[in-house]
Amino acid sequence: GAVVSQHPSRVICKSGTSVKIECRSLDFQATTMFWYRQFPKQSLMLMATSNEGSKATYEQGVEKDKFLINHASLTLSTLTVTSAHPEDSSFYICSAGTAYSNQPQHFGDGTRLSIL
Amino acid sequence: DAKTTQPPSMDCAEGRAANLPCNHSTISGNEYVYWYRQIHSQGPQYIIHGLKNNETNEMASLIITEDRKSSTLILPHATLRDTAVYYCIVPIRVTAAGNKLTFGGGTRVLVKP
Repeated sequence: GAVVSQHPSRVICKSGTSVKIECRSLDFQATTMFWYRQFPKQSLMLMATSNEGSKATYEQGVEKDKFLINHASLTLSTLTVTSAHPEDSSFYICSAGTAYSNQPQHFGDGTRLSIL
Repeated sequence: DAKTTQPPSMDCAEGRAANLPCNHSTISGNEYVYWYRQIHSQGPQYIIHGLKNNETNEMASLIITEDRKSSTLILPHATLRDTAVYYCIVPIRVTAAGNKLTFGGGTRVLVKP
């Protein structure tokens, strides 16, 4: 099946640091990528949707200046958590979809971010 | 958007079939039903999806009622590695190239020896 690679799998850093997470579709062209956040014992919450070559669309309550998303190519999207604080500690997950809208999205294995 | 309703948890005996129900009574005629699962500390894994007809793949079978208001995911021979949270989702079309998935609480399936 389709493979989505997410890197790094785990990050531990100090408060105030900016952290970049990469999401790559390895064997298909991902025209749309999605970024989710999951807090302990909760379900996935969609943060933003990005289409290749255009600005991301953020869900209500998600700060676009804090969570910078770049989708510069059909195989790579990045999420940068700027000036991260302990409350940003979470499990961040990306997914990738194709231009065939009824084809399933495929998810990365997630990035566990811990801000000290 | 079509909301889905699933039981919060279910136990299943190893080697037996696991039948996971989902209600989606407000689904519209051209909306698909997708199933994903999330094993602890991993990203969700796609299982299967369907529109009207029953579907089967190497992982599971999907049975959709004729009125499309509910569906059942069947894991034919559950193994311990099938322990996960299973999500039934009817996506929202956001762009021509993608659908937005809204994850509810899912069904927490525990496969017991």
